[in-house]
Amino acid sequence: GENVEQHPSTLSVQEGDSAVIKCTYSDSASNYFPWYKQELGKRPQLIIDIRSNVGEKKDQRIAVTLNKTAKHFSLHITETQPEDSAVYFCAASGGGKLIFGQGTELSVKP
Amino acid sequence: SAVISQKPSRDICQRGTSLTIQCQVDSQVTMMFWYRQQPGQSLTLIATANQGSEATYESGFVIDKFPISRPNLTFSTLTVSNMSPEDSSIYLCSGGQGLTGELFFGEGSRLTVL
Repeated sequence: GENVEQHPSTLSVQEGDSAVIKCTYSDSASNYFPWYKQELGKRPQLIIDIRSNVGEKKDQRIAVTLNKTAKHFSLHITETQPEDSAVYFCAASGGGKLIFGQGTELSVKP
Repeated sequence: SAVISQKPSRDICQRGTSLTIQCQVDSQVTMMFWYRQQPGQSLTLIATANQGSEATYESGFVIDKFPISRPNLTFSTLTVSNMSPEDSSIYLCSGGQGLTGELFFGEGSRLTVL
């Protein structure tokens, strides 16, 4: 079955800096790669996703890149703000169900 | 998008008892799933809830411990049976249309087993 590895587990940046979180997956049949943000005590919220026919997608300060050959994808957050502080999860899917990475706790210091 | 409601939102249970969590979606969704999230951990898929048939369980999860029902396209239940303190966790329901891949999550049910 699918296995998703996510790094780093914690990330601390200064406000205004960029943050990058990386994930690798094992199943070459996976074709959908979402990123979720989870604030403390809240449900995971989808922030951006990418499908296998696209190499990059951007939404304001957030971008995701996908390298299908290498089976890895990354989340890029630019101009970070304190409200970006949360746990971020990557996931991979090949048939509807999502398999999640271990999560990255992002801390943005003012 | 889909709005997913779960109840109870939290409960404290005694060892050896069972608890059923309900999940209601405000629109028909093709796929529904149940996840477990232990404190400070990631989301682990328990099973796919199949409408009108037995759920499909992931490795490490069995029907006797986590029976699941899905009588229609908008409702599902997860029962945590014969609970032990190790079952203390947040249980999350999710639903999506499958073709787009996007999954929406309920707010979770936080279970504490004493």
